[in-house]
Amino acid sequence: KQEVTQIPAALSVPEGENLVLNCSFTDSAIYNLQWFRQDPGKGLTSLLLIQSSQREQTSGRLNASLDKSSGRSTLYIAASQPGDSATYLCAVINTGTASKLTFGTGTRLQVTL
Amino acid sequence: GAGVSQSPSNKVTEKGKDVELRCDPISGHTALYWYRQSLGQGLEFLIYFQGNSAPDKSGLPSDRFSAERTGGSVSTLTIQRTQQEDSAVYLCASSLTGQVATQYFGPGTRLTVL
Repeated sequence: KQEVTQIPAALSVPEGENLVLNCSFTDSAIYNLQWFRQDPGKGLTSLLLIQSSQREQTSGRLNASLDKSSGRSTLYIAASQPGDSATYLCAVINTGTASKLTFGTGTRLQVTL
Repeated sequence: GAGVSQSPSNKVTEKGKDVELRCDPISGHTALYWYRQSLGQGLEFLIYFQGNSAPDKSGLPSDRFSAERTGGSVSTLTIQRTQQEDSAVYLCASSLTGQVATQYFGPGTRLTVL
């Protein structure tokens, strides 16, 4: 059974800092990995999707990497802003499991002024 | 364009009542998913539709839960004889196809069972 873990569970940084969020998964047989953000009381917003054959994806100040063999992904946020404050979730789709996402435990990020 | 919409946004019901939750996917998306987010359990998969059929129902927690999708579009999740442990946020997502496509989520329905 796939298990997805995110470290740290919570993080507080001052505005302007670069930061890294970590995601690890136990079963490397995945189709892809997605990073989402969730704001309080809101649904999930997709940030980046990395296919299993890819090593990284970039969108603006965000960069996500994937090391499938070691079961790890990182989300790098450059020059953090207070608007980045949210919970960040990673999720994987396993091969042979149709299309269901298995989610990590989340990292709650607070960027302070 | 319009995103995934869900209704109602909030639902309060009494234990033992039936509830229906609705999801309108993004137009043209063939795949639709239901997930549940509850305190202490995180985000859990419930059911996946491809068109009107459900090839994966493995996440439905009991036979009190059912879902259907009609016309390859709108989906309804029904919970019969609700229990307090059913209280959660129910999230719907859709994608252009299955497997490799990005899933786009709706705002969710917050269900509270008293």
